[in-house]
Amino acid sequence: DAGITQSPRHKVTETGTPVTLRCHQTENHRYMYWYRQDPGHGLRLIHYSYGVKDTDKGEVSDGYSVSRSKTEDFLLTLESATSSQTSVYFCAISGTLSTDTQYFGPGTRLTVL
Amino acid sequence: AQSVTQLDSHVSVSEGTPVLLRCNYSSSYSPSLFWYVQHPNKGLQLLLKYTSAATLVKGINGFEAEFKKSETSFHLTKPSAHMSDAAEYFCVVSANQGAQKLVFGQGTRLTINP
Repeated sequence: DAGITQSPRHKVTETGTPVTLRCHQTENHRYMYWYRQDPGHGLRLIHYSYGVKDTDKGEVSDGYSVSRSKTEDFLLTLESATSSQTSVYFCAISGTLSTDTQYFGPGTRLTVL
Repeated sequence: AQSVTQLDSHVSVSEGTPVLLRCNYSSSYSPSLFWYVQHPNKGLQLLLKYTSAATLVKGINGFEAEFKKSETSFHLTKPSAHMSDAAEYFCVVSANQGAQKLVFGQGTRLTINP
């Protein structure tokens, strides 16, 4: 998985609780991304980062926030989890060229009850 | 804006027969196009990518795809299916503009019959 780890790999939580997912890379890539995968939708971009402390919204950013204080770590936070945020979350990394390949982490399966 | 349509949600072929997974795209810019594969309960692996070089792109495991601008298509093919090819396949488009915001198709599940 190109030096990308995600933690936790599985999590079950209750509606209204905060949740933070972590993505860690050892490749020193500038760009990092968070996606969610739902049946029938492929993957959809939540947020991305183009450097330390530099982030921007993706297609489905409502209800999510992110932070990047170090090159290697990109955190995704659900401030108050809802059942609609039950999904599989993937982190990805890439270089600076728009034609560079994105490499994906192993995913985190989140269930919100 | 970019969009991708995978024309089949499920394709079933017999082992040893050809595979064709169809993908049409829309892009306001000259696009980069990718095919990713996802095996059950696994992450995504890049099969191949087109980035405005040769229109016929060869990837891993015997897969290839042809970029046809006039048809806005990027179909994935393999001459002979193997049982290990059973997986979900995603066609992906990215505008060659700034940050690499990938737009995924809905996916095609490939089943291989013995």
